[in-house]
Amino acid sequence: EAQVTQNPRYLITVTGKKLTVTCSQNMNHEYMSWYRQDPGLGLRQIYYSMNVEVTDKGDVPEGYKVSRKEKRNFPLILESPSPNQTSLYFCASSRGKGTDTQYFGPGTRLTVL
Amino acid sequence: KNEVEQSPQNLTAQEGEFITINCSYSVGISALHWLQQHPGGGIVSLFMLSSGKKKHGRLIATINIQEKHSSLHITASHPRDSAVYICAGGGGSGAQKLVFGQGTRLTINP
Repeated sequence: EAQVTQNPRYLITVTGKKLTVTCSQNMNHEYMSWYRQDPGLGLRQIYYSMNVEVTDKGDVPEGYKVSRKEKRNFPLILESPSPNQTSLYFCASSRGKGTDTQYFGPGTRLTVL
Repeated sequence: KNEVEQSPQNLTAQEGEFITINCSYSVGISALHWLQQHPGGGIVSLFMLSSGKKKHGRLIATINIQEKHSSLHITASHPRDSAVYICAGGGGSGAQKLVFGQGTRLTINP
């Protein structure tokens, strides 16, 4: 089954404790992206990757890091989480550009205390 | 700057009604996505349009490129259609990026 998986689905952590949210897709997609969703602000792009070892900043990259060492995986790293990073995070993948169908992961609800 | 504007923000209707959600977008966006997000969070892609019209079951999406406007219609609406519907523009000046509308919260009462 074609899918995008994220782990963990729920995470409560404390300020400053490094964490990684994993994202994996099994569709051999080149393009992967991370979004955060906040009430009243909608979905905003954090980082995206056009292929292995090719990543770029989205609209709200501050406080986040990503890596793309393998085509299928695109982890989101919070080196020193802060309460303003409490949000619902989605990973997505597609074959290519923003003109292709997007496949979203189930979401990760992160709370930073 | 690419922008996407959705209306209405909230919509409540009775079961069976015909529903229309609108999306306007700025110059440079060449494809329009319609997404559905149910309570509990998961996002599903409904349609991707660059021209014309697409239909899937009771859902119909149209796009008017000249007017930079897209609509999502739901015929014979049902309570299970209650969700947030999001339009997103792609293929613009940041060709790898999507620009999202704020979403329309649809509630269908039985």
